[in-house]
Amino acid sequence: SQTIHQWPATLVQPVGSPLSLECTVEGTSNPNLYWYRQAAGRGLQLLFYSVGIGQISSEVPQNLSASRPQDRQFILSSKKLLLSDSGFYLCAWSPGGYNQPQHFGDGTRLSIL
Amino acid sequence: ILNVEQSPQSLHVQEGDSTNFTCSFPSSNFYALHWYRWETAKSPEALFVMTLNGDEKKKGRISATLNTKEGYSYLYIKGSQPEDSATYLCAPREAGTALIFGKGTTLSVSS
Repeated sequence: SQTIHQWPATLVQPVGSPLSLECTVEGTSNPNLYWYRQAAGRGLQLLFYSVGIGQISSEVPQNLSASRPQDRQFILSSKKLLLSDSGFYLCAWSPGGYNQPQHFGDGTRLSIL
Repeated sequence: ILNVEQSPQSLHVQEGDSTNFTCSFPSSNFYALHWYRWETAKSPEALFVMTLNGDEKKKGRISATLNTKEGYSYLYIKGSQPEDSATYLCAPREAGTALIFGKGTTLSVSS
């Protein structure tokens, strides 16, 4: 069966520090991969999605970036965090195709001080 | 960008009550609509993926209908139980785009 791993579960970072969140999927190949953020009082916002290695689509311009160095690995990064980057970050995967449900990781609670 | 509205924002019912929520979205360029359940301290879980006007899907006591012409979907829960307490998210998509999530309806069921 397929599983998705996301870490760390919680993270407290100072403003201006770098960020790296990692997500890996097991038990499937060539998945679509997604990064979402839920800021306080807001809905889930799609940040990035990827349909293959090295293929990243950005939905919202910001100081975050994503990379997919391997088929089942998706990384969310920032060179300098802002206070507004605080939130709950979720990684998700789905099989290829437009009408497949997404399967989410457990999320990372990011607090910026 | 799709404008997705979910109502009500929150809802409190007694165990055994049946309830329903609404998801509204622009009807033009519709491609598919997803429903997810998000329980506290867990990750969102897919409930349904719906694509056709008039679609009706059922999973246990939960069912959903879809009207793509008028741009809405209803989620029904029959005989609510405390374990149904969660935030229910709808996420439509247009052709060639990714899902856009609504803010959700938070359901609380008291025993």
